Amino acid sequence: DQQVKQNSPSLSVQEGRISILNCDYTNSMFDYFLWYKKYPAEGPTFLISISSIKDKNEDGRFTVFLNKSAKHLSLHIVPSQPGDSAVYFCAASGINSGNTPLVFGKGTRLSVIA
Amino acid sequence: KAGVTQTPRYLIKTRGQQVTLSCSPISGHRSVSWYQQTPGQGLQFLFEYFSETQRNKGNFPGRFSGRQFSNSRSEMNVSTLELGDSALYLCASSLVAGGEFNYGYTFGSGTRLTVV
Repeated sequence: DQQVKQNSPSLSVQEGRISILNCDYTNSMFDYFLWYKKYPAEGPTFLISISSIKDKNEDGRFTVFLNKSAKHLSLHIVPSQPGDSAVYFCAASGINSGNTPLVFGKGTRLSVIA
Repeated sequence: KAGVTQTPRYLIKTRGQQVTLSCSPISGHRSVSWYQQTPGQGLQFLFEYFSETQRNKGNFPGRFSGRQFSNSRSEMNVSTLELGDSALYLCASSLVAGGEFNYGYTFGSGTRLTVV
């Protein structure tokens, strides 16, 4: 039973264009969502997060959108750069449900082509 | 400040052996979580410790165990290793249980375990 789903294993985007990574979740108790970025041989690093009381959070080139009714979130990277090439993990937690551990999706490998 | 330190970085073990992995969290962090990453399966939650107590446990067999010491350092143990246990094992720490509100966890670089 996968509670956090990233249905696209990979994505290729031209440098300078927008990258859109998608994530769906099934557990309605999730109220906090995060995106992590992972390079090979390194641990995931935090990128951006959003609380369920918001529908958008922006940090520089990165914007996360949350659609609670659809249980869907997306990460937009504009403009995409070759250094953004990595695996991106979506994660969810129930902060107000007793601090449940982060549940991760399987990841989407983003390749930004110069 | 020093990050999350995992040792060793790489490990090769034989099927049937047991292994112990170590994690030193960021100074002051009391929560340590362990995740297993395998190709195609993403990060799967193993367990979380907070102040020496296991708070949560994932859906892994009893061969996987862990503990946390009074200095917040944590170890995980896998007994009777199977080929399918080959994976990257990631440790993550945070000040509070369940992760920090703003950024969740800080991860270490992981221990790459290969079972042959």
